[in-house]
Amino acid sequence: AQSVAQPEDQVNVAEGNPLTVKCTYSVSGNPYLFWYVQYPNRGLQFLLKYITGDNLVKGSYGFEAEFNKSQTSFHLKKPSALVSDSALYFCAASRGSTLGRLYFGRGTQLTVWP
Amino acid sequence: NAGVTQTPKFQVLKTGQSMTLQCAQDMNHEYMSWYRQDPGMGLRLIHYSVGAGITDQGEVPNGYNVSRSTTEDFPLRLLSAAPSQTSVYFCASSPNLGTLNSPLHFGNGTRLTVT
Repeated sequence: AQSVAQPEDQVNVAEGNPLTVKCTYSVSGNPYLFWYVQYPNRGLQFLLKYITGDNLVKGSYGFEAEFNKSQTSFHLKKPSALVSDSALYFCAASRGSTLGRLYFGRGTQLTVWP
Repeated sequence: NAGVTQTPKFQVLKTGQSMTLQCAQDMNHEYMSWYRQDPGMGLRLIHYSVGAGITDQGEVPNGYNVSRSTTEDFPLRLLSAAPSQTSVYFCASSPNLGTLNSPLHFGNGTRLTVT
């Protein structure tokens, strides 16, 4: 079965410190990987994606993610957190050969305190 | 350009009632989908469509119907509402027909309560 895991329900970090939100996947073949962010009472917004190529991808609002094939991970990172980064973050994966299906993790609530 | 528009924003139903959640997009996207979001469970795919006249089931299709008569609209029908269908429902679309290597565009959701 295809799945995406986010092992931490909650991540707390002080403003200015680096942040990491973890994601591992179990998707056969060469997956496409995504990070989305959700602010209260809103839909999900796309942050970044990995399709192929460089293992470090850069996205919106200073976020980046590192793809590690051997560890089947795609962790989200930011060098210096802002209070405004506080939100719910979702990792997602699709299997290139499977039409129409995107598998989501359960989400990680990030809180950045001043 | 409104993106993905979902109506209504909130709805309360009694058990056994039926209703339709509306979703419309103005980006000419071929791919559209419906997800439900429940606490601690992330997003689960209900149904999706890769073009007008074509729909398929996702992970949790039971109790829901969809149709896609136009590229723009993808309504989700609850046939006989149950308390287990209390959730937040998101519609999402993508320009990419096949392998979803383009990101999804989400609506702002419909919060449904079934009593």
